[in-house]
Amino acid sequence: GQNIDQPTEMTATEGAIVQINCTYQTSGFNGLFWYQQHAGEAPTFLSYNVLDGLEEKGRFSSFLSRSKGYSYLLLKELQMKDSASYLCAVRSLVVSSGSARQLTFGSGTQLTVLP
Amino acid sequence: DTGVSQDPRHKITKRGQNVTFRCDPISEHNRLYWYRQTLGQGPEFLTYFQNEAQLEKSRLLSDRFSAERPKGSFSTLEIQRTEQGDSAMYLCASSSPRQSRGNEQYFGPGTRLTVT
Repeated sequence: GQNIDQPTEMTATEGAIVQINCTYQTSGFNGLFWYQQHAGEAPTFLSYNVLDGLEEKGRFSSFLSRSKGYSYLLLKELQMKDSASYLCAVRSLVVSSGSARQLTFGSGTQLTVLP
Repeated sequence: DTGVSQDPRHKITKRGQNVTFRCDPISEHNRLYWYRQTLGQGPEFLTYFQNEAQLEKSRLLSDRFSAERPKGSFSTLEIQRTEQGDSAMYLCASSSPRQSRGNEQYFGPGTRLTVT
C-alpha cells in the first residue's frame, strides 16, 4: 500500500517564505507531484520531481529525497492569492497491469496567508 | 487549448437513481483519469484510460460504477443506484507523455454530486 503524510494546516504572513513537507511510503516510486487547489476549484499542477534534488519554478520550488521518502514545496514571497490547499501526490508503478499512471494524493495542506 | 471540461458541474439526485457524467479531455491527450474527492481529502483514483482502453480500476470502483471512453476522446462515468455515500466531487484529468516531462495530469473543474 501507499501512505502519504502532510500537515493539515499552515499559516504564514504575506511576503514570507513557507515550506510544506510531505513524507511518503510506496512501492515502485515513479515521481512526485505538487498541486494547488483553491476552494471549490480543480487541482492545478505546480511541480514534478522524479530525481533527488531541487526543482525551481518562479516563486515555487520543490525538493525530493527518494531515500528518505521526503519532499517539500517551498513558496517564496507569499501573496494572498497563495491561500489554498497544497496536495502532494505520488505516482507508483502498478506491477499487475504494467501501468504507471496512478496518482495517490495526500489529504492536502491548507495554507492561509495573512496580511 | 480549452482545457479539460466536465458536464454537468452540479448534480442533485435522489438515492437509487442513476447518474452519468461526461468529461472532455484536452485535445490530443490520450490518457484520461477519473477521481473522486470528498471534503478535506485529496482526490482518490477511480479509473484510467489510455485511448479507448480501460487499463486500471480502483477497488473503490464498485459494480455500481462504470466508465467508458468509446472513441478515445470523451469519457462518461455512470453511477447506478446512487447511495448517499456517493456524494462527492468527481474529477476528470487528462495527460499526454509526449507533451510534458512528467506526464502530469490536468484536471477539469469537476462534477459535484449530491445524493439526497
